[in-house]
Amino acid sequence: EIVLTQSPGTLSLSPGERATLSCRASQSVSSSYLAWYQQKPGLAPRLLIYRTSSRATGIPDRFSGSGSGTDFTLTISRLEPEDFAVYYCQQYGSSPWTFGQGTKVEIK
Amino acid sequence: EVQLVQSGAEVKKPGESLKISCKGSGYSFTTYWIGWVRQMPGKGLEWMGIIYPGDSDTRYSPSFQGQVTISADKSISTAYLQWSSLKASDTAMYYCARSKLVGAFDAFDFWGQGTVVTVSS
Repeated sequence: EIVLTQSPGTLSLSPGERATLSCRASQSVSSSYLAWYQQKPGLAPRLLIYRTSSRATGIPDRFSGSGSGTDFTLTISRLEPEDFAVYYCQQYGSSPWTFGQGTKVEIK
Repeated sequence: EVQLVQSGAEVKKPGESLKISCKGSGYSFTTYWIGWVRQMPGKGLEWMGIIYPGDSDTRYSPSFQGQVTISADKSISTAYLQWSSLKASDTAMYYCARSKLVGAFDAFDFWGQGTVVTVSS
């Protein structure tokens, strides 16, 4: 099973700042099948990025994904008030699919 | 419009059985994998398993194999998650979600609203 470790656990930033979230895999993620989700309290997760760097439908271009192998990054170029939430990475290249433990982006 | 609509909240006692549902609409239900994800109170997301409604091919996470059963009834575009004997530790929110790519494993692009399951004596 591929274990995904996200860092930091919490990121305290101000609106307008850049956020960089990390996701490290215990072994190489097949075909870069790595996704990022955003979850706000009381709501279902929302797909942001799939296949490492492809934005899902309707996702603004301030969200970008990069990486390969075992190291992946989600970048939010300029934080908007609605971006403060918890972010999860997920690999779906090998079964069982797994999620990281999440990074909370909070308002500083 | 693609929608996944889950059944309502459940309150059960330990040892009871339960089956929750996820009804898909707005797309070809039989040609997209549907997965189930657990979120325990205040915790992260856990992938439980996935089913292809077209032929009921099912994969489980080892953590959930033998603990739950995933099934689907393609005639009514509905996937299910069931327990034969609930434990207090099954208390959680459960989400169903659709794999993005037709006929293949992919990220989850559409999610149900979630079903809260509470198991308490």
